[in-house]
Amino acid sequence: DAGITQSPRYKITETGRQVTLMCHQTWSHSYMFWYRQDLGHGLRLIYYSAAADITDKGEVSDGYVVSRSKTENFPLTLESATRSQTSVYFCASSEGRGRSGANVLTFGAGSRLTVL
Amino acid sequence: GESVGLHLPTLSVQEGDNSIINCAYSNSASDYFIWYKQESGKGPQFIIDIRSNMDKRQGQRVTVLLNKTVKHLSLQIAATQPGDSAVYFCAEDDGGATNKLIFGTGTLLAVQP
Repeated sequence: DAGITQSPRYKITETGRQVTLMCHQTWSHSYMFWYRQDLGHGLRLIYYSAAADITDKGEVSDGYVVSRSKTENFPLTLESATRSQTSVYFCASSEGRGRSGANVLTFGAGSRLTVL
Repeated sequence: GESVGLHLPTLSVQEGDNSIINCAYSNSASDYFIWYKQESGKGPQFIIDIRSNMDKRQGQRVTVLLNKTVKHLSLQIAATQPGDSAVYFCAEDDGGATNKLIFGTGTLLAVQP
């Protein structure tokens, strides 16, 4: 299916476990992003990637790791999950600034993670 | 009790009325501003964008106004419908090489039938 897909949609894990959230896009967009969404904080950027093998930290990157070996995939790993990482995680992609000049992100449906 | 910061600002309107959702942004160097709509259980969806050299831009039933003097952005929705009920976010794009967007905390629009 065309678009951007995230998996799993729901995940419950325990403190200290490693968790990987998957993100796959079919548009060959250069840019990919991971945000977390918490009530009262809106969407906060965790990591972003400008192309395969190019990644950089966002404002809340501590405790997270990403990789981008292929353009279409951008997995997010919580190396040792903590309760404060309970959140809804959104992956997004974009082609960068298009003809209008705006960088329009297209988001996946989200992955709801609960850390017990 | 809960912190005030945990509650989303809410705008409640009657179906058919016009809605105005406001956003204050922080970076005077931001080059683009984008509005997103997020329905319950879904990811945010693009609505409309405006460049910093514009004051107003219109789309279908939506208008975005930009006041750079006070760093304020608003989204106007004409003839609000029940399907407009969602959380609305404004986002800033600083126009730099990173292509990052910085999002506001959002406003919940509740449309009353």
